[in-house]
Amino acid sequence: QQQVKQSPQSLIVQKGGISIINCAYENTAFDYFPWYQQFPGKGPALLIAIRPDVSEKKEGRFTISFNKSAKQFSLHIMDSQPGDSATYFCAGGGGGADGLTFGKGTHLIIQP
Amino acid sequence: DAGVIQSPRHEVTEMGQEVTLRCKPISGHDYLFWYRQTMMRGLELLIYFNNNVPIDDSGMPEDRFSAKMPNASFSTLKIQPSEPRDSAVYFCASTKGLETQYFGPGTRLLVL
Repeated sequence: QQQVKQSPQSLIVQKGGISIINCAYENTAFDYFPWYQQFPGKGPALLIAIRPDVSEKKEGRFTISFNKSAKQFSLHIMDSQPGDSATYFCAGGGGGADGLTFGKGTHLIIQP
Repeated sequence: DAGVIQSPRHEVTEMGQEVTLRCKPISGHDYLFWYRQTMMRGLELLIYFNNNVPIDDSGMPEDRFSAKMPNASFSTLKIQPSEPRDSAVYFCASTKGLETQYFGPGTRLLVL
């Protein structure tokens, strides 16, 4: 499977700040880009997803920005809260490929 | 619905023993995925099924790993013989169509 590269590996943000996680993909056939959130001891759960026909999608404090020409997308968490502390995974999928290709994850810590 | 169910939640075994992990997908879902998660390699897709048929097992690390899906409500991942490097968290996920994947809570495997 072609890679999805995610950065940073870990991130510490103060409460109320903006958390930004970036991903880059290789497979131009991907047409579905979800972000998953994983708390310790739990399985990943879908947080928000975007398709390449839009450049931005917002759900509450969570926003995905998508740059098709650069093959990059990012997750922004506004007004970050301690409860947002988790591991976040980006992924790419679709375009005839069954399943998702995941990034390696970002361990986010929000300091109170 | 109870979500994706995995058992056991924790497994400790000795090198050389057979390990069987179990998964019950969400009713009505037609795809089932097995993933392995480690700190070093992140979330890796091992194998997935569509309508109980294995579609892609290219992620299965070795012949020691095998997976079956005898019916729409049950799948197993077997490791025989197990080795210490197989220690990881194994997730099962299911989906209807190819979008949102719903993950189970995972099985934490430790091979001594």
